[in-house]
Amino acid sequence: DAGVTQSPTHLIKTRGQHVTLRCSPISGHKSVSWYQQVLGQGPQFIFQYYEKEERGRGNFPDRFSARQFPNYSSELNVNALLLGDSALYLCASSLSRQLNEKLFFGSGTQLSVL
Amino acid sequence: AQKITQTQPGMFVQEKEAVTLDCTYDTSDPSYGLFWYKQPSSGEMIFLIYQGSYDQQNATEGRYSLNFQKARKSANLVISASQLGDSAMYFCAMREHGSGNTGKLIFGQGTTLQVKP
Repeated sequence: DAGVTQSPTHLIKTRGQHVTLRCSPISGHKSVSWYQQVLGQGPQFIFQYYEKEERGRGNFPDRFSARQFPNYSSELNVNALLLGDSALYLCASSLSRQLNEKLFFGSGTQLSVL
Repeated sequence: AQKITQTQPGMFVQEKEAVTLDCTYDTSDPSYGLFWYKQPSSGEMIFLIYQGSYDQQNATEGRYSLNFQKARKSANLVISASQLGDSAMYFCAMREHGSGNTGKLIFGQGTTLQVKP
């Protein structure tokens, strides 16, 4: 079975541009979460979607938005890119939002903002 | 305030020896879960082990075990019989039940483990 897939793997943008990152969860998983991992730090929670509804949002500006589609895939959009948005963006999927539910992560999209 | 603290930025261990990676956490929620993930250079986070706050016994998964000391709020990962493939970044993470945001994992800063042949 395919794991969590993310595209693209690498992306280079300039300040002020817009970017869309894509994620396909493991088949059957209804929850998708997005995390930002700056070099040398742990991942920071951005969004969680479950059954196509936003169920959680981290401490990120409104430039960050996301959505989940009927097939449970998801997109993360970032507008007006800043240098500080350069990071590895990780998508994770899970069956549910239970406390003990483990997240399955993709390999991430490495975003560089110049 | 840091909710998850990993005080060891880097650790070395000799192949076939055991190593302990430290993690302390801070929460007032009586119901929470603790996770350890491994992140190799490829970037993908790999789940290793889970411990629930109400679990009576320490969790074990193959060569991984979790030394859970609830009163001290620590959840140290023990890797036995280290292998070269264990060289990676290791993250401790917590999920709180009462936050209303149970999908959110809070991660520590991570510990880089290098296994020497």
